[in-house]
Amino acid sequence: KNEVEQSPQNLTAQEGEFITINCSYSVGISALHWLQQHPGGGIVSLFMLSSGKKKHGRLIATINIQEKHSSLHITASHPRDSAVYICAAKRDGNTGKLIFGQGTTLQVKP
Amino acid sequence: DTGVSQNPRHKITKRGQNVTFRCDPISEHNRLYWYRQTLGQGPEFLTYFQNEAQLEKSRLLSDRFSAERPKGSFSTLEIQRTEQGDSAMYLCASSPWSALGQFFGPGTRLTVL
Repeated sequence: KNEVEQSPQNLTAQEGEFITINCSYSVGISALHWLQQHPGGGIVSLFMLSSGKKKHGRLIATINIQEKHSSLHITASHPRDSAVYICAAKRDGNTGKLIFGQGTTLQVKP
Repeated sequence: DTGVSQNPRHKITKRGQNVTFRCDPISEHNRLYWYRQTLGQGPEFLTYFQNEAQLEKSRLLSDRFSAERPKGSFSTLEIQRTEQGDSAMYLCASSPWSALGQFFGPGTRLTVL
């Protein structure tokens, strides 16, 4: 079992739909990242969370430390949101290395 | 552009050749990370530098792989005697000493024929 698991692996939505991507982790962490990767492109950090909830535009990220679970929500989805969304856990300890989920491929259709 | 940069962006090589990638982190970022991402998978940790010291290496980093950060600024990742299984996106990220966040470069896509 991977230390960081995402679901679903693939997601197709119609423009305007509310989208949720889930991430569960089994290790102790100091923070959790949500990252966005477009085809052929680099990785952009959307959020870094250590507790609670963060919002940026149409994106909302939440984390429940006790349940070791985080969610990324996209409201009023748009075709330009189509990308791979990756959660990555920063493990407790000094190195700060990230343990990545396998990614969720989102396609938003017009 | 003051972000993390990586060169080259794409590299096509024949099996058995050596390749070297370069990462220039954000200025004054003490920490530098290399990750590898194969198609359809999330990235995997390869190695980590704090200034010029390489403090952790993944078991994924076989003896054909070597990374350096000689002056604590840019870093190089060399793969000797490349194999087709080395084909992947190689990502570099950097962060300041005490920060939790990492800033990613655009990656170098390696194709081994």
